[in-house]
Parts: sequence; C-alpha cells; structure tokens
Amino acid sequence: GAVVSQHPSRVICKSGTSVKIECRSLDFQATTMFWYRQFPKQSLMLMATSNEGSKATYEQGVEKDKFLINHASLTLSTLTVTSAHPEDSSFYICSAIPLTGWANYGYTFGSGTRLTVV
Amino acid sequence: GQQVMQIPQYQHVQEGEDFTTYCNSSTTLSNIQWYKQRPGGHPVFLIQLVKSGEVKKQKRLTFQFGEAKKNSSLHITATQTTDVGTYFCARGGETSGSRLTFGEGTQLTVNP
Repeated sequence: GAVVSQHPSRVICKSGTSVKIECRSLDFQATTMFWYRQFPKQSLMLMATSNEGSKATYEQGVEKDKFLINHASLTLSTLTVTSAHPEDSSFYICSAIPLTGWANYGYTFGSGTRLTVV
Repeated sequence: GQQVMQIPQYQHVQEGEDFTTYCNSSTTLSNIQWYKQRPGGHPVFLIQLVKSGEVKKQKRLTFQFGEAKKNSSLHITATQTTDVGTYFCARGGETSGSRLTFGEGTQLTVNP
C-alpha cells in the first residue's frame, strides 16, 4: 500500500526560530500533497495544497510567508514554519495521494509532527 | 464554505454496544470518505463512497451514502475496545487531486 513518511515526529523549538518538516511518499509518486494542522480534540484544517514544480495554494487565513512550502520532487514536500511562536504549536500532518488507485487507497497521511514552540 | 457537519461530537459506549456517526452536507457530495484516527495517531483511510444509496461493509463496519448524496453514516456493530478513536468523514472533490474537507469528527470511547 501507499506509505507516507513524515519527519520529525516531534520537535521543540524556541520562539523566533524556524522548523522544517518533511513529507515523503515512499513507494509512489505524488504530484499533489496536502498540509493540515490539527489542534487537540479538533478536526484537521487544510493549510495548503502543495503541487510539484509549482507554487503551493494556501487556504484563506494561512500566511504563506510564515508557512513556506516546497514541493521539489514527486516524492518530497517540505513545510517550514518560519519565526515560530507559541501559538504555532500544533500537530501538523501531511497527506498524499497516488497518481492511480486513489479511490481504493484514499489519501495517505504521514504520522504527523507535533510542534511545540517555547 | 462547503462544510460537512458531523454528529455526535462524542460517543461513549459499553463494549458490545453499537455505534453510529452521521455526516451531513447542505450541498451534493461528489464522494465521501471515512477515516479513523487513533489517539495520538494519524488519520487512516477506511473507505470511499461515490454512488447514490451506496452501502459498503467492512466486517463490523457499515458505511452508507444517502440517496441524495448529501449525507452519510458509519455504523459499527458490537463495538470492541480496538474501535476507540475519532472517526472523520471527509468530502472529496471531483478529481483525484482535489482537496479533502473534513467533518468535525466523532470521538468514540469504548468501556470494557
């Protein structure tokens, strides 16, 4: 089945620093990856759609200069939280879909990154 | 926006009891997907429904898509402790690269 690897799983950083999160599709190619944010006991909120070789599409209210997304290859997308602040602390999850067979496998999610900004 | 409303938000059951979560939309859905997220984990795809009135079963789980394609349900028969988690419905788009919009989720706890 489709596997998405996300690193790191947990990160603690100081306020004002930047954090990079990687999302890799291990056994399939993904032209599109998605980045979500999830607060405790809440649903997943889509932040942006990452498209290989082009600029990401951000959801309304998401600061593109703060959450930098790069999708340099068909298997890798990165999310960089720049100048992180405590309110950025959250669970960040990426997802990807294979080019074919998505109806059977759905959207595959990474294991998530729990970011704590102190 | 094109939201999907999901109820209930929480459900506590005794092991062996049945459980149902409902998902509703004010607009017609192209498809509906269901995911399960265990505590501390990530969403895992369960199923996708596409056809009006569609019913699909996975062991003790039964998924339904309404005739008008505006609602869906997930029913678990005889819950087990392994069923604990949050169940999300998500509306998909027209194409394979479309975004998913998640419902609020139903958090299920099962008392042994």
